[in-house]
Amino acid sequence: SAVISQKPSRDICQRGTSLTIQCQVDSQVTMMFWYRQQPGQSLTLIATANQGSEATYESGFVIDKFPISRPNLTFSTLTVSNMSPEDSSIYLCSVEDANRQGASGYTFGSGTRLTVV
Amino acid sequence: GNSVTQMEGPVTLSEEAFLTINCTYTATGYPSLFWYVQYPGEGLQLLLKATKADDKGSNKGFEATYRKETTSFHLEKGSVQVSDSAVYFCALRGSARQLTFGSGTQLTVLP
Repeated sequence: SAVISQKPSRDICQRGTSLTIQCQVDSQVTMMFWYRQQPGQSLTLIATANQGSEATYESGFVIDKFPISRPNLTFSTLTVSNMSPEDSSIYLCSVEDANRQGASGYTFGSGTRLTVV
Repeated sequence: GNSVTQMEGPVTLSEEAFLTINCTYTATGYPSLFWYVQYPGEGLQLLLKATKADDKGSNKGFEATYRKETTSFHLEKGSVQVSDSAVYFCALRGSARQLTFGSGTQLTVLP
């Protein structure tokens, strides 16, 4: 399965600032997914990032707040803009693992634990 | 849209007890179903999966059977260990290829 390097692993940021999270995959993948996991809660999909096109955002998430870049098939960034304490969460990227028979599962990055003060 | 309803936690069991975590889903078509586990301080890991009706996924003593007639994918283990303490997430993959997660169930196994 794919290996994802996600950084930073954690950060403490001042409100009003922005943080960019990076995910590097060791193989080429078509789709990358960005999730948010708020404290004590489940994972919520923020957006799907395809190389060469704009990301597709889920309801409740907008590009101005969570701009995403996908410059090539192995890399993506998510920026959390104009942060407030409500943005304190774990942010994860994910890719779909495919075997010869098709999709076999999803691999997740180790997550970025963001605290906004 | 797709949704996953998962058994409320937290669940506390004694070592060697039988575990069931219920999961039901709503989806159009024929989704793939997954169980993910998140150990304390670690990332999300795939535990097992099933891609079609009546498939049984299994790993590390855990099992789950894809039941289309009841739209369920309950997680079971015959004898839990302290090391199984973690948060367990049921998830489905629909036609749009992204995962939809349940709310997660915190499991604590006491020695």
